[in-house]
Amino acid sequence: ETGVTQTPRHLVMGMTNKKSLKCEQHLGHNAMYWYKQSAKKPLELMFVYSLEERVENNSVPSRFSPECPNSSHLFLHLHTLQPEDSALYLCASSWTSGSGAETQYFGPGTRLLVL
Amino acid sequence: AQTVTQSQPEMSVQEAETVTLSCTYDTSESDYYLFWYKQPPSRQMILVIRQEAYKQQNATENRFSVNFQKAAKSFSLKISDSQLGDAAMYFCAYRSAMTKLTFGTGTRLQVTL
Repeated sequence: ETGVTQTPRHLVMGMTNKKSLKCEQHLGHNAMYWYKQSAKKPLELMFVYSLEERVENNSVPSRFSPECPNSSHLFLHLHTLQPEDSALYLCASSWTSGSGAETQYFGPGTRLLVL
Repeated sequence: AQTVTQSQPEMSVQEAETVTLSCTYDTSESDYYLFWYKQPPSRQMILVIRQEAYKQQNATENRFSVNFQKAAKSFSLKISDSQLGDAAMYFCAYRSAMTKLTFGTGTRLQVTL
């Protein structure tokens, strides 16, 4: 897995904890994404960063806070989560084409369980 | 808003046989892109095949091919000579210049001996 990596792969946290998910892409892309994948639901786009600027926030609760310090790294800071936030969190990266033609490359995901 | 529908939650195919996964989408746009992604049990989602809506020719990638029917808004995936390694969740997705990448709910494909 050298394209898009994510750490940790598994995370268990209490509702009062603060944790961070990390994503790193080694593909030279200029756009990065956070998705939430829940069972039997389509992937939900959470955030999009293009050229290190946040360009999309799909009504995500403020307990999720993204950070993109450079074009290769993306973080998702978590605090005071709810049990319904338990899911697989996927990171992806791509070139920004503006046409929709770009292919997104996904990481393996972080399986998050909120107790 | 654009929606993507995969009506088959689960499918099963015998090794070496052919299986077709269905996908329909709803859009008023004329220029867009369609994708099939595969997510094996290890969870890393990978692109299987993509189709540009302006191209009439169906995309093909080795054992994977699509049947793209633009008027019917249908985009099915055919897997020929199925292999055990094809077992995975398959997601159909839609993207245009105006919309984010929108996924269906997925089809779980089992491959049996």
